[in-house]
Amino acid sequence: SQTIHQWPATLVQPVGSPLSLECTVEGTSNPNLYWYRQAAGRGLQLLFYSVGIGQISSEVPQNLSASRPQDRQFILSSKKLLLSDSGFYLCAWGRSLSSYEQYFGPGTRLTVT
Amino acid sequence: EDQVTQSPEALRLQEGESSSLNCSYTVSGLRGLFWYRQDPGKGPEFLFTLYSAGEEKEKERLKATLTKKESFLHITAPKPEDSATYLCAVQSGERYNFNKFYFGSGTKLNVKP
Repeated sequence: SQTIHQWPATLVQPVGSPLSLECTVEGTSNPNLYWYRQAAGRGLQLLFYSVGIGQISSEVPQNLSASRPQDRQFILSSKKLLLSDSGFYLCAWGRSLSSYEQYFGPGTRLTVT
Repeated sequence: EDQVTQSPEALRLQEGESSSLNCSYTVSGLRGLFWYRQDPGKGPEFLFTLYSAGEEKEKERLKATLTKKESFLHITAPKPEDSATYLCAVQSGERYNFNKFYFGSGTKLNVKP
């Protein structure tokens, strides 16, 4: 069966500091991978998605970036965090090129102080 | 523009009091509509996928239905453990957009014993 991991679970970072969140998927190959951000009481905002190694599509212009160095690894980064980057970050995977559901990881709660 | 609207924002029910949650959508060629359950501080948990108008899916006390413009999540005789936020998402059928899900803001359900 497939499993998706995210770490860290919680993170408190000062404004201007760098960020690296990691997501890995087990039990499947060549998945589509997604990063979402969820603000308190709001829906999920798609940040990035990837259909393969090194292939990243950005949905929202911001100071965040994403990378996919391996087939089942997806990383969300920032060089300098802003207060507005606080939120609940979710990684998800889905089967490629078809109308299949996405499966979400446990999330990372980021607080920028 | 592709859009998903969920109503009500919040719903309080007594245990055993059946009700429905609504998800209305506008999307260019619906490829799939998805329902998720999200508990506080956790990632969304997949519930159902619906592909075409008239389709219905059931799981325990939950039943999802789909029309050309909206979906309903019917909850029959709910229990306190059904308390959660229920999210709806749609997948566009447009070729350049089919990897993206559009999420609603969710309905927060509270079932009181």
